[in-house]
Amino acid sequence: GAGVSQSPRYKVAKRGQDVALRCDPISGHVSLFWYQQALGQGPEFLTYFQNEAQLDKSGLPSDRFFAERPEGSVSTLKIQRTQQEDSAVYLCASSADRKEQFFGPGTRLTVL
Amino acid sequence: AQSVTQLGSHVSVSEGALVLLRCNYSSSVPPYLFWYVQYPNQGLQLLLKYTTGATLVKGINGFEAEFKKSETSFHLTKPSAHMSDAAEYFCAVSDTIAGTYKYIFGTGTRLKVLA
Repeated sequence: GAGVSQSPRYKVAKRGQDVALRCDPISGHVSLFWYQQALGQGPEFLTYFQNEAQLDKSGLPSDRFFAERPEGSVSTLKIQRTQQEDSAVYLCASSADRKEQFFGPGTRLTVL
Repeated sequence: AQSVTQLGSHVSVSEGALVLLRCNYSSSVPPYLFWYVQYPNQGLQLLLKYTTGATLVKGINGFEAEFKKSETSFHLTKPSAHMSDAAEYFCAVSDTIAGTYKYIFGTGTRLKVLA
């Protein structure tokens, strides 16, 4: 079946612009995670949803970052007033049982 | 808090040689452990996982890992490297303490396979 999809795959933004990154999880997966992967680093946790409830947002680096999953399926990660340090790959993962996460291809954000 | 340490940010092996990628973890509770592989411009693909049961875990593409509680290690091995194994490898522990099961990743090991 279809895996996790993310769009866009690449995004270039000028500093100060707002961006929205989309994640389509595997159908039926209750859990959804967002991670940020800086160049040459391992992914770092941003936020976690169980269905539509955002149960953990401890990894969001600032109040410019906002995530939602209003119907418990598709999720959007929004970054307001982007800064150069926001440049990274943003990975989305979904899980049925929280024991194994399935990752999407990521969105590479470049802030100029 | 749980954490993961991957020793060696870059590892080079000859084609056909043994691959050994090291991962040590820190956890106050029985951990869930994972190895993922990442090819350029792609997402993470699960190689293998340990949750409970047998401590020697076999994964895809001939990889295996052994959970050693006494050494707090979960090293990844493959008997014979292939050129297609060249990629970035990440070890991760699942945060079972807080209950979200979010992953905590190591910094990664880039594997280079020499012809």
